[in-house]
Amino acid sequence: EVQLLESGGDFVQPGGSLRLSCAASGFTFSNYAMYWVRQAPGKGLKWVSSISAGGGNTYYTDSVKGRFTISRDNSKNTFYLQMHSLRAEDTAVYYCATALGSYSHFDYWGQGTLVTVSS
Amino acid sequence: EIVLTQSPATLSLSPGESATLSCRASQSVSSYLAWYQQKPGQAPRLLIYDASNRATGIPARFSGSGSGTDFTLTISSLEPEDFAIYYCQQRVYWPLTFGGGTKVEIK
Repeated sequence: EVQLLESGGDFVQPGGSLRLSCAASGFTFSNYAMYWVRQAPGKGLKWVSSISAGGGNTYYTDSVKGRFTISRDNSKNTFYLQMHSLRAEDTAVYYCATALGSYSHFDYWGQGTLVTVSS
Repeated sequence: EIVLTQSPATLSLSPGESATLSCRASQSVSSYLAWYQQKPGQAPRLLIYDASNRATGIPARFSGSGSGTDFTLTISSLEPEDFAIYYCQQRVYWPLTFGGGTKVEIK
């Protein structure tokens, strides 16, 4: 059974940092790209970042470029989102996701972890 | 950036009725469009990928059609569990983008 389990969400002040983790199981993690998608309270879905299977290619939405870094450890079946210079507008539930069936269409999602940025 | 515009914003229907949801792309995304369902407090669930392919375990009452810039998600006969928010998403261009969602509510 495919499982994705996020952790690391927390309450943080503006300008602060946080690292999210997503532990994967039930599939060959090192063969697949991984993704972060977020959802601000009461709002729609927004793709945040992606990382290729080997970790050599990373992609970001414009609003997080230079502040967020996605990475992965294929030996631990885990990938990460390091977030710096957090802003109030980064407040959201962050989901990790993968696309086992069709590239970049997300067929498996974690349960989400809440990041709240507020003073 | 590809903008996906979903309409209507809200659809008020009764169980057993058919639902037709629209997603229009600001430029062609070929057939690389997906549909998701999201219920309150839950992660999204993939329904349709590549415009017309049902994801694993998705009931046959869900169908997708379209290509280029105009896409449709049809729910042939609404079940009580189908009342939710539906999003479309394209995978052709970076950044990956989602539509703003259509809420299907009980009339």
